[in-house]
Amino acid sequence: QQQVKQSPQSLIVQKGGISIINCAYENTAFDYFPWYQQFPGKGPALLIAIRPDVSEKKEGRFTISFNKSAKQFSLHIMDSQPGDSATYFCAAVRPGSWGKLQFGAGTQVVVTP
Amino acid sequence: NAGVTQTPKFQVLKTGQSMTLQCAQDMNHEYMSWYRQDPGMGLRLIHYSVGAGITDQGEVPNGYNVSRSTTEDFPLRLLSAAPSQTSVYFCASRFRQGGQPQHFGDGTRLSIL
Repeated sequence: QQQVKQSPQSLIVQKGGISIINCAYENTAFDYFPWYQQFPGKGPALLIAIRPDVSEKKEGRFTISFNKSAKQFSLHIMDSQPGDSATYFCAAVRPGSWGKLQFGAGTQVVVTP
Repeated sequence: NAGVTQTPKFQVLKTGQSMTLQCAQDMNHEYMSWYRQDPGMGLRLIHYSVGAGITDQGEVPNGYNVSRSTTEDFPLRLLSAAPSQTSVYFCASRFRQGGQPQHFGDGTRLSIL
Protein backbone atom coordinates (compact mmCIF):
# COMPACT_ATOMS: atom_id res chain seq x y z
CA GLN A 1 0.00 0.00 0.00
CA GLN A 2 1.47 3.29 -1.12
CA GLN A 3 2.07 5.65 1.79
CA VAL A 4 2.11 8.70 -0.49
CA LYS A 5 -0.68 9.05 -3.05
CA GLN A 6 0.05 11.19 -6.09
CA SER A 7 -2.24 12.57 -8.77
CA PRO A 8 -2.76 12.98 -11.65
CA GLN A 9 -0.92 10.14 -13.37
CA SER A 10 -0.25 12.34 -16.39
CA LEU A 11 -0.71 15.94 -17.36
CA ILE A 12 -0.56 17.88 -20.61
CA VAL A 13 -0.15 21.65 -20.38
CA GLN A 14 0.52 24.34 -22.94
CA LYS A 15 3.69 26.39 -22.85
CA GLY A 16 3.21 29.24 -20.42
CA GLY A 17 0.53 27.42 -18.44
CA ILE A 18 0.54 26.17 -14.86
CA SER A 19 1.16 22.52 -14.01
CA ILE A 20 -0.25 21.32 -10.69
CA ILE A 21 0.57 17.96 -9.11
CA ASN A 22 -1.00 16.85 -5.85
CA CYS A 23 0.16 14.45 -3.15
CA ALA A 24 -1.48 13.18 0.03
CA TYR A 25 -0.09 11.18 2.93
CA GLU A 26 -1.46 9.44 6.02
CA ASN A 27 1.55 9.11 8.33
CA THR A 28 1.81 12.30 10.40
CA ALA A 29 5.34 11.32 11.39
CA PHE A 30 6.67 12.41 7.99
CA ASP A 31 8.67 15.60 8.40
CA TYR A 32 10.38 16.20 5.06
CA PHE A 33 8.70 16.35 1.67
CA PRO A 34 10.93 16.50 -1.43
CA TRP A 35 9.97 16.59 -5.07
CA TYR A 36 12.10 14.82 -7.66
CA GLN A 37 12.26 15.45 -11.40
CA GLN A 38 13.16 12.63 -13.78
CA PHE A 39 13.98 12.91 -17.48
CA PRO A 40 13.81 9.83 -19.74
CA GLY A 41 16.83 7.58 -19.31
CA LYS A 42 18.03 9.45 -16.25
CA GLY A 43 17.75 9.03 -12.50
CA PRO A 44 15.52 11.28 -10.39
CA ALA A 45 17.04 14.57 -9.26
CA LEU A 46 15.96 16.67 -6.29
CA LEU A 47 13.93 19.66 -7.48
CA ILE A 48 12.61 21.33 -4.32
CA ALA A 49 11.71 20.26 -0.79
CA ILE A 50 9.69 21.52 2.16
CA ARG A 51 9.29 20.84 5.87
CA PRO A 52 5.84 21.02 7.51
CA ASP A 53 6.63 24.14 9.54
CA VAL A 54 6.13 26.29 6.42
CA SER A 55 3.09 26.45 4.16
CA GLU A 56 4.84 27.42 0.95
CA LYS A 57 8.27 27.34 -0.62
CA LYS A 58 9.21 28.88 -3.93
CA GLU A 59 12.29 28.35 -6.07
CA GLY A 60 12.13 30.07 -9.41
CA ARG A 61 9.08 28.82 -11.30
CA PHE A 62 8.55 25.91 -8.90
CA THR A 63 6.41 26.27 -5.75
CA ILE A 64 5.44 23.73 -3.11
CA SER A 65 2.24 24.38 -1.18
CA PHE A 66 1.83 22.44 2.05
CA ASN A 67 -1.38 21.88 4.04
CA LYS A 68 -0.46 20.13 7.27
CA SER A 69 -4.03 19.75 8.58
CA ALA A 70 -5.19 18.15 5.34
CA LYS A 71 -1.99 16.09 5.02
CA GLN A 72 -1.58 17.27 1.44
CA PHE A 73 1.10 19.02 -0.54
CA SER A 74 1.36 20.09 -4.13
CA LEU A 75 3.86 21.21 -6.75
CA HIS A 76 3.03 24.16 -8.98
CA ILE A 77 5.11 24.78 -12.09
CA MET A 78 4.47 28.33 -13.26
CA ASP A 79 5.04 29.45 -16.85
CA SER A 80 5.61 25.81 -17.89
CA GLN A 81 8.25 25.29 -20.59
CA PRO A 82 8.85 22.36 -22.97
CA GLY A 83 12.06 21.68 -21.03
CA ASP A 84 9.91 20.95 -17.97
CA SER A 85 8.51 17.85 -19.71
CA ALA A 86 9.50 15.07 -17.32
CA THR A 87 8.15 12.73 -14.69
CA TYR A 88 7.71 14.28 -11.26
CA PHE A 89 7.70 12.31 -8.02
CA CYS A 90 6.65 13.54 -4.62
CA ALA A 91 8.17 11.81 -1.62
CA ALA A 92 8.06 11.83 2.16
CA VAL A 93 10.64 11.04 4.83
CA ARG A 94 10.21 10.09 8.48
CA PRO A 95 12.70 11.28 11.10
CA GLY A 96 15.04 8.57 12.25
CA SER A 97 14.57 6.54 9.06
CA TRP A 98 18.01 7.30 7.58
CA GLY A 99 16.30 9.53 5.04
CA LYS A 100 14.41 6.67 3.42
CA LEU A 101 12.22 8.10 0.69
CA GLN A 102 8.58 7.01 0.38
CA PHE A 103 7.73 7.92 -3.21
CA GLY A 104 4.43 8.69 -4.85
CA ALA A 105 3.60 6.89 -8.10
CA GLY A 106 4.78 9.75 -10.30
CA THR A 107 3.20 12.22 -12.73
CA GLN A 108 4.27 12.47 -16.35
CA VAL A 109 4.12 16.10 -17.44
CA VAL A 110 4.15 17.04 -21.11
CA VAL A 111 4.43 20.71 -22.03
CA THR A 112 3.33 21.41 -25.59
CA PRO A 113 4.93 24.27 -27.56
CA ASN B 1 33.28 14.03 -10.25
CA ALA B 2 31.40 11.16 -11.89
CA GLY B 3 28.72 11.11 -9.16
CA VAL B 4 26.84 7.79 -8.96
CA THR B 5 27.78 5.32 -11.69
CA GLN B 6 25.68 2.25 -12.42
CA THR B 7 26.65 -0.63 -14.68
CA PRO B 8 25.40 -2.17 -16.85
CA LYS B 9 22.81 0.20 -18.34
CA PHE B 10 20.80 -2.66 -19.87
CA GLN B 11 20.67 -6.39 -19.20
CA VAL B 12 18.51 -9.30 -20.30
CA LEU B 13 18.49 -12.43 -18.17
CA LYS B 14 16.77 -15.77 -18.27
CA THR B 15 14.71 -16.95 -15.32
CA GLY B 16 16.95 -18.55 -12.72
CA GLN B 17 20.14 -16.78 -13.73
CA SER B 18 22.06 -14.69 -11.24
CA MET B 19 23.76 -11.38 -11.75
CA THR B 20 25.22 -8.39 -9.95
CA LEU B 21 24.27 -4.78 -10.61
CA GLN B 22 27.16 -2.49 -9.87
CA CYS B 23 26.98 0.90 -8.17
CA ALA B 24 29.90 3.18 -7.40
CA GLN B 25 30.06 6.73 -6.07
CA ASP B 26 33.01 9.09 -5.75
CA MET B 27 31.48 11.65 -3.38
CA ASN B 28 32.53 9.92 -0.15
CA HIS B 29 28.87 9.43 0.79
CA GLU B 30 28.23 7.18 3.78
CA TYR B 31 24.64 6.32 2.84
CA MET B 32 23.82 4.27 -0.26
CA SER B 33 20.61 2.64 -1.37
CA TRP B 34 18.95 0.65 -4.12
CA TYR B 35 15.48 1.35 -5.49
CA ARG B 36 13.42 -0.31 -8.16
CA GLN B 37 11.08 1.69 -10.38
CA ASP B 38 7.95 0.11 -11.79
CA PRO B 39 5.13 1.82 -13.74
CA GLY B 40 2.46 3.24 -11.47
CA MET B 41 4.41 2.42 -8.31
CA GLY B 42 7.07 5.06 -8.10
CA LEU B 43 10.40 3.97 -6.65
CA ARG B 44 10.56 1.41 -3.87
CA LEU B 45 13.51 0.84 -1.57
CA ILE B 46 15.17 -2.58 -1.82
CA HIS B 47 18.20 -2.35 0.49
CA TYR B 48 20.28 0.40 2.00
CA SER B 49 23.60 0.91 3.78
CA VAL B 50 24.64 3.59 6.26
CA GLY B 51 28.34 2.80 5.97
CA ALA B 52 30.88 0.15 5.06
CA GLY B 53 29.96 -3.17 6.61
CA ILE B 54 26.40 -2.08 7.52
CA THR B 55 23.36 -2.97 5.41
CA ASP B 56 19.65 -3.28 6.07
CA GLN B 57 16.46 -4.21 4.25
CA GLY B 58 14.08 -1.78 2.66
CA GLU B 59 10.50 -2.20 1.53
CA VAL B 60 11.00 -4.94 -1.11
CA PRO B 61 14.17 -6.93 -0.23
CA ASN B 62 13.12 -10.47 -1.23
CA GLY B 63 15.25 -12.01 -3.98
CA TYR B 64 18.05 -9.45 -3.60
CA ASN B 65 21.31 -9.44 -1.69
CA VAL B 66 23.72 -6.60 -0.93
CA SER B 67 27.07 -6.06 0.73
CA ARG B 68 29.13 -2.96 1.43
CA SER B 69 32.83 -3.67 1.76
CA THR B 70 33.96 -0.15 0.79
CA THR B 71 32.48 3.34 1.05
CA GLU B 72 32.47 3.68 -2.74
CA ASP B 73 30.73 0.49 -3.88
CA PHE B 74 27.33 -1.02 -3.17
CA PRO B 75 26.53 -3.96 -5.49
CA LEU B 76 23.07 -5.50 -5.74
CA ARG B 77 22.86 -9.24 -6.40
CA LEU B 78 19.94 -11.10 -7.88
CA LEU B 79 20.34 -14.65 -6.65
CA SER B 80 17.87 -16.42 -8.99
CA ALA B 81 16.19 -14.00 -11.36
CA ALA B 82 12.40 -14.07 -11.73
CA PRO B 83 10.18 -12.26 -14.28
CA SER B 84 8.75 -10.18 -11.38
CA GLN B 85 12.20 -8.61 -11.02
CA THR B 86 11.94 -7.01 -14.46
CA SER B 87 12.34 -3.35 -13.59
CA VAL B 88 14.57 -0.31 -13.72
CA TYR B 89 17.00 -0.25 -10.81
CA PHE B 90 18.42 2.93 -9.35
CA CYS B 91 21.28 3.35 -6.94
CA ALA B 92 21.46 6.49 -4.80
CA SER B 93 23.87 7.97 -2.29
CA ARG B 94 24.09 10.88 0.11
CA PHE B 95 25.90 12.11 3.17
CA ARG B 96 24.56 10.44 6.28
CA GLN B 97 23.62 13.57 8.20
CA GLY B 98 19.98 14.54 8.02
CA GLY B 99 18.50 16.74 5.33
CA GLN B 100 21.03 15.89 2.66
CA PRO B 101 19.65 15.22 -0.85
CA GLN B 102 20.05 11.82 -2.45
CA HIS B 103 22.03 11.62 -5.70
CA PHE B 104 20.73 8.99 -8.11
CA GLY B 105 22.55 7.10 -10.84
CA ASP B 106 21.03 6.79 -14.31
CA GLY B 107 19.68 3.32 -13.70
CA THR B 108 19.98 -0.25 -14.96
CA ARG B 109 17.12 -1.50 -17.11
CA LEU B 110 16.74 -5.22 -16.40
CA SER B 111 14.52 -7.67 -18.27
CA ILE B 112 13.97 -11.23 -17.05
CA LEU B 113 12.62 -13.63 -19.65
